[in-house]
Amino acid sequence: QPYLVESGGGVVQPGRSLRLSCAASAFTFSRYTMHWVRQAPGKGLEWMTAVSYDGRNKYYADSVKGRFTISRDNSKNTLYLQMSSLSAEDTAVYYCASSASGLDAFDIWGQGTMVTVSS
Amino acid sequence: DIQMTQSPSSLSASVGDRVTITCRASQSVRIFLNWYQQKPGKVPKLLIYAASNLQSGVPSRFSGSGSGTDFTLTISSLQPEDFATYYCQQSYTNPVYTFGQGTKLEI
Repeated sequence: QPYLVESGGGVVQPGRSLRLSCAASAFTFSRYTMHWVRQAPGKGLEWMTAVSYDGRNKYYADSVKGRFTISRDNSKNTLYLQMSSLSAEDTAVYYCASSASGLDAFDIWGQGTMVTVSS
Repeated sequence: DIQMTQSPSSLSASVGDRVTITCRASQSVRIFLNWYQQKPGKVPKLLIYAASNLQSGVPSRFSGSGSGTDFTLTISSLQPEDFATYYCQQSYTNPVYTFGQGTKLEI
């Protein structure tokens, strides 16, 4: 079964940076667009960003544009999210997600990593 | 940007009830509409893709319908394990996706 494992979450001070990783296994990582989705405590799901299969095309929600950078290393089957200028509003569980079957939907999700922005 | 609006935001129902949740898009998304279920502390799970296609392994009591701007998720006979939060998601602007705000289904 394909699966994704996020890492890199933790507590970070406002204004600082943090990088999240998402490692893929049993999944042809290099074939698929990868996404990050977040969920603030007690809130809904928010799509944040995506990167094309080859890393050339990147897409961002307005809420993170200019502050967050998505990237991938297909040789390591790993997705990244570089977050900067963090604020309390960025406190959330961060999920990586994709389609393992070519659907226009997320049929594979990581378990999530919690990011808490607090002084 | 396409906005997705779900109704109701919360819903109380009983085991055995038939339940319908609605999702409306701010512009046509054709049939590029997906539904997810999320239980507390758990990862979202894909239920329905492309408006009406049941994801593998999902019970047949779940069904989806609609096209354009108006969509519904129906649970024909609620089971105890169905109490969760449900989200719609448009994938028309793939790979830029948008979720609805969620519908919490409570006992």
